[in-house]
Amino acid sequence: DGGITQSPKYLFRKEGQNVTLSCEQNLNHDAMYWYRQDPGQGLRLIYYSQIVNDFQKGDIAEGYSVSREKKESFPLTVTSAQKNPTAFYLCASKGRGQGTNVLTFGAGSRLTVL
Amino acid sequence: AQSVTQLDSQVPVFEEAPVELRCNYSSSVSVYLFWYVQYPNQGLQLLLKYLSGSTLVESINGFEAEFNKSQTSFHLRKPSVHISDTAEYFCAVSENAGGTSYGKLTFGQGTILTVHP
Repeated sequence: DGGITQSPKYLFRKEGQNVTLSCEQNLNHDAMYWYRQDPGQGLRLIYYSQIVNDFQKGDIAEGYSVSREKKESFPLTVTSAQKNPTAFYLCASKGRGQGTNVLTFGAGSRLTVL
Repeated sequence: AQSVTQLDSQVPVFEEAPVELRCNYSSSVSVYLFWYVQYPNQGLQLLLKYLSGSTLVESINGFEAEFNKSQTSFHLRKPSVHISDTAEYFCAVSENAGGTSYGKLTFGQGTILTVHP
């Protein structure tokens, strides 16, 4: 079945460590997105990519980095510069002709900084 | 810039009762509107969407939402809820800017619907 796979589902890290969250899709979608979810704040856009080798900052990009070397993959690195990294991270994608701005989401990765 | 306000952070309701989850938005241009549902520790699933045409949109599981341009609202309703409807619901807006917004949704804060037996 086609979909978005995020890994790991749960991740713990110590302060000062970088961590990379994986997002893989087999939907042949062009655009991919990373959102951060905090209780009571909804979802906020971190980065998005419309095509391979291109990406743009979202509303809260500071302390994060991404790459888009393959169409299927859009990994997110949470760096030590991110001051409050504990959150639920959601990856999403959108294909051409899918319907205007209708996103497909992965199951999420929960990062806890100890 | 666009914004979305969900007026209730939590809505408790008894099974088979009606429910309304409120959503208001602001935008300087025309918009597309969405409701997504999230079950615990899962991603978001599209519940319904308004793109154009009829202002009343329905989902396959009995939810409906009505786009009210004058009141800038997109409230979600269901006449009779089930235990399985317990989840968090997110309203989202995207500007209709000829495709240039490219999937950049702005989400509300979320409303936790809890259905009690």
